[in-house]
Amino acid sequence: QKEVEQNSGPLSVPEGAIASLNCTYSDRGSQSFFWYRQYSGKSPELIMSIYSNGDKEDGRFTAQLNKASQYVSLLIRDSQPSDSATYLCAVNSGIKAAVNKLTFGGGTRVLVKP
Amino acid sequence: DGGITQSPKYLFRKEGQNVTLSCEQNLNHDAMYWYRQDPGQGLRLIYYSHIVNDFQKGDIAEGYSVSREKKESFPLTVTSAQKNPTAFYLCASSISGQEGETQYFGPGTRLLVL
Repeated sequence: QKEVEQNSGPLSVPEGAIASLNCTYSDRGSQSFFWYRQYSGKSPELIMSIYSNGDKEDGRFTAQLNKASQYVSLLIRDSQPSDSATYLCAVNSGIKAAVNKLTFGGGTRVLVKP
Repeated sequence: DGGITQSPKYLFRKEGQNVTLSCEQNLNHDAMYWYRQDPGQGLRLIYYSHIVNDFQKGDIAEGYSVSREKKESFPLTVTSAQKNPTAFYLCASSISGQEGETQYFGPGTRLLVL
């Protein structure tokens, strides 16, 4: 059973600080990794995708991927109260075929306190 | 405006009743997906379709059925065989269904059992 694990939180951070979220996955063949943000009662929206080892930055967000250690992380710099949400890590099936099957972690709830 | 629409926003099911959730997209995407989300948990794949008139079971297909008669539409029927249907149902789409593509989500339908 392919698994994606996240700490459920809540991760409480003061406004302006860095929030660090981690995600581990079990399928060594996975090639594509996604971070989604989900506000309470709403649908997930894409924040970042990452496919290669290393860092990828987009505004205040940085995704970090380490395939050897099978983890992907998300850093949120200068955290704002509007960043308070659940962050979902999603990993592709790892099957090298025309199949786009994602496995989701349970999400990490982030609370940014003013 | 391009996007994914789901209806209704809330749906109530009586015991023994089949109900159908609508999902429509005007993004010209070939691939569409249905997920289920239970409180405090990640998303689980129910069914997916990469092309009209073809669809595949996901991880939790039992008690559900789908059709894909048009590229724009991918309705999900929750049958009476699904004994625990209360959940948040999310429809998603991607360009072609190739591994690594971003999946974009609709606003979701919340299904409750009376």
